Amino acid sequence: QSVLTQPPSASGTPGQRVTISCSGTSSNIGTNTVNWYQQLPGTAPKVLIYNSNQRPSGVPDRFSGSKSGTSASLAISGLQSEDEADYYCAAWDDSLNGHVVFGGGTKLTVL
Amino acid sequence: QVQLQESGPGLVKPSQTLSLTCTVSGGSVSSGAYYWGWIRQHPGKGLEWIGYKWHSGSAYYNPSLKSRVTISVDTSKNQFSLKLSSMTAADTAVYYCARDYYGSSRYFGYLDYWGQGTLVTVSS
Repeated sequence: QSVLTQPPSASGTPGQRVTISCSGTSSNIGTNTVNWYQQLPGTAPKVLIYNSNQRPSGVPDRFSGSKSGTSASLAISGLQSEDEADYYCAAWDDSLNGHVVFGGGTKLTVL
Repeated sequence: QVQLQESGPGLVKPSQTLSLTCTVSGGSVSSGAYYWGWIRQHPGKGLEWIGYKWHSGSAYYNPSLKSRVTISVDTSKNQFSLKLSSMTAADTAVYYCARDYYGSSRYFGYLDYWGQGTLVTVSS
């Protein structure tokens, strides 16, 4: 059972816009920023969004993040076949001396 | 370009201590802007954070693993290491080393560089 809650799966057709949610609590998302990672099969995760809504250089602007209260979302617009991957949210949790918590991951399928 | 590379045994016996090293190139583990950490992924499962270490002092560990984990930083070799004791089959996973760019926003969790990962199997 992950501390951050994500839907296990999501899907969309090419060109569509999809969103992936991440729900937490006041000790994590409620007071800290959220980061999003994309993991393609057999590879290490890659950061897509940091500080809740910032994109590292090189990440397409099709990817965007937002946060409100104890929830966050990752939006992918203009869906492409290469976006098919697992997506994880992560945040710092202030409880128990502090630690990073991840969501359970969302498998995105491009139909 | 920053690169991280894990090294260590791929097979560990039950009850033994796992020792992994992450060698950093293209950047310095002595930089105050970063924490150095380990994350693992059980086969077919999600990501699990293990812990972080700053180059001189502060360390944070997953509460569920804290009693078995030690992360250290060797500035002379530009490396950092993970030790996980009392290994069991439940510790079989791909282990990633990664850099947390804490200095970017003063919030943890921005893992900007990752190693490729190394599979560790616990079996007698």
